[in-house]
Amino acid sequence: KQEVTQIPAALSVPEGENLVLNCSFTDSAIYNLQWFRQDPGKGLTSLLLIQSSQREQTSGRLNASLDKSSGRSTLYIAASQPGDSATYLCAVRPLYNQGGKLIFGQGTELSVKP
Amino acid sequence: GAVVSQHPSWVICKSGTSVKIECRSLDFQATTMFWYRQFPKQSLMLMATSNEGSKATYEQGVEKDKFLINHASLTLSTLTVTSAHPEDSSFYICSARDLRLAGGDSYEQYFGPGTRLTVT
Repeated sequence: KQEVTQIPAALSVPEGENLVLNCSFTDSAIYNLQWFRQDPGKGLTSLLLIQSSQREQTSGRLNASLDKSSGRSTLYIAASQPGDSATYLCAVRPLYNQGGKLIFGQGTELSVKP
Repeated sequence: GAVVSQHPSWVICKSGTSVKIECRSLDFQATTMFWYRQFPKQSLMLMATSNEGSKATYEQGVEKDKFLINHASLTLSTLTVTSAHPEDSSFYICSARDLRLAGGDSYEQYFGPGTRLTVT
């Protein structure tokens, strides 16, 4: 059974710092991995999607890497800003036919202090 | 980009009543929609997969008679919480899969803004 774990559960950093969020999954048979942002009481905003054949994806100050064999992904945020404060979720789509569902980690709650 | 809406955004109901939540894909057709539930400080848990024109597939432990799902068109799926109780209070989020990208490597799910259900 696929399980997704995110560490740390919460993180507080001063503005301007670079930071790394971690995501691990127990079964390397994945179709893709996706990072989301969730603001309090809101839905999900997709940040980056990495296909299983890819090693990383970049969007602006965000860079996500994927090491499928070791079951790990990281989300790197450069020059953090207070507006980056949110909960960050990673999710994997299992490779074998499970209807395309996503399995989520419990998230990392990020707070960037001005 | 692909947009998914949910209605209502929040609802308060009394214990024992039923509540219907709508999920719509606004600018694309979705053969498959997913319903998730999120309790405070917890992650999203898939409840069921909703397929247009067929019965929904429920995850283990989710009562299909309590959470009724109807996916009558390519742009609308509804979740009805029947005989709601306080323990059903949660944040319900739907997502939709774009038919045009189905089968392609760029498959992606698009998420709605969520519905906050409070049962008193």
